[in-house]
Amino acid sequence: EIVMTQSPATLSVSPGERATLSCRASQSIGISLAWYQQKPGQAPRVLIYGASTRATGIPARFSGSGSGTDFTLTISSLQSEDVAVYYCQQYNIWPPLTFGGGTKVELK
Amino acid sequence: QVQLVQSGSELREPGASVKVSCKASGYTFTSYGMNWLRQAPGQGLEWIGWINTHTGNPTYAQSFMGRFVFSLDTAVSTAHLQISRLEAEDTAVYYCARKVRVGDVNWFDPWGQGTLVTVSS
Repeated sequence: EIVMTQSPATLSVSPGERATLSCRASQSIGISLAWYQQKPGQAPRVLIYGASTRATGIPARFSGSGSGTDFTLTISSLQSEDVAVYYCQQYNIWPPLTFGGGTKVELK
Repeated sequence: QVQLVQSGSELREPGASVKVSCKASGYTFTSYGMNWLRQAPGQGLEWIGWINTHTGNPTYAQSFMGRFVFSLDTAVSTAHLQISRLEAEDTAVYYCARKVRVGDVNWFDPWGQGTLVTVSS
């Protein structure tokens, strides 16, 4: 089973500043990685797939990068509506499909 | 629009069973796999498994084999998750999610709104 590790657990960022979230896989997964955003009380929604492709309707301030074992989700200018928990998920080797533990992004 | 609507919250005693439904609309139900995931209170996301909506073939994560069963009613574009011999540790929000696949790339979109299953005596 591929273990996904996200850091930090919590990230405090001032509005308008950059947020950088990390995700590491226990073995190489190529670019088989998706990012999801989960706002309080809501279901997750997809932000990024294929490590760097934004899903339909996702603002350009969200970008993904990385390959192999190390991946990054960047929010270029944090907005109040971006307060959420962000999860990475690998789909290279499954079952099982596995998620990271999440990074909670809050406003400073 | 593409939408997944799940059944409402459930309260069960330990040892009982529960069935969660997920009704799809806005797309051809049998063209996309349906996944089930769970999120315990304050915790992250766990993948339970998926069902091929064209063949009906299910795949379960190892941790969920035995008590978790997927089924389909393709006539009404609905997927079901049945959990038997419920334990307190099964208390969680259960999500269905459509798997979109383009070549080697895939993602979950959309997700159902979630169904809270509470196991308590």
